[in-house]
Amino acid sequence: DTGVSQDPRHKITKRGQNVTFRCDPISEHNRLYWYRQTLGQGPEFLTYFQNEAQLEKSRLLSDRFSAERPKGSFSTLEIQRTEQGDSAMYLCASSLVSGGVGGKLFFGSGTQLSVL
Amino acid sequence: DQQVKQNSPSLSVQEGRISILNCDYTNSMFDYFLWYKKYPAEGPTFLISISSIKDKNEDGRFTVFLNKSAKHLSLHIVPSQPGDSAVYFCAASAQNYGQNFVFGPGTRLSVLP
Repeated sequence: DTGVSQDPRHKITKRGQNVTFRCDPISEHNRLYWYRQTLGQGPEFLTYFQNEAQLEKSRLLSDRFSAERPKGSFSTLEIQRTEQGDSAMYLCASSLVSGGVGGKLFFGSGTQLSVL
Repeated sequence: DQQVKQNSPSLSVQEGRISILNCDYTNSMFDYFLWYKKYPAEGPTFLISISSIKDKNEDGRFTVFLNKSAKHLSLHIVPSQPGDSAVYFCAASAQNYGQNFVFGPGTRLSVLP
């Protein structure tokens, strides 16, 4: 168990640029989640995948955000035309769900995005 | 609207004493609750969970209590240690209705030596 890994740890970009983050979940986990956290707040749900299927998306996930999980393994989160309000910590988590009962989330260390 | 609330932004306790962190929720569909601890520049780390079929779950120094009628849960840490100083998040999920977890805003715990 190598844990959930996220890349990069930090990203600084200029407003209007596109950015892409990667998450590698724990290998046997079938669910993968993306959350966003800003200072003083708890993680806010963005979206989650069961294997390769994206099952739920928050209304926080505007059209500029897209997430994929090809082949049900790693996932990418892309933000197009970044805005300063996108500056946040982007957290990925994975879990093993069996029989419809959710397990605990294991989080990565996050990607800190700063949009200048 | 915040479905999961942690009304104390911060809490300070003396080493060796009990820390009690509180969490309230509004959605009666929530049936599975977790507590996470977060250090700066790291992702949240799972501490303890409780299902709505129980009212107490214990793991070492950590105990979570659930009062479904009051829609309230609490995390007790006994005895508190300086290494427990972190931000603690309460999270809730409605297992039969969706699998995403809703997090509270967190409580910063400081354990003073």
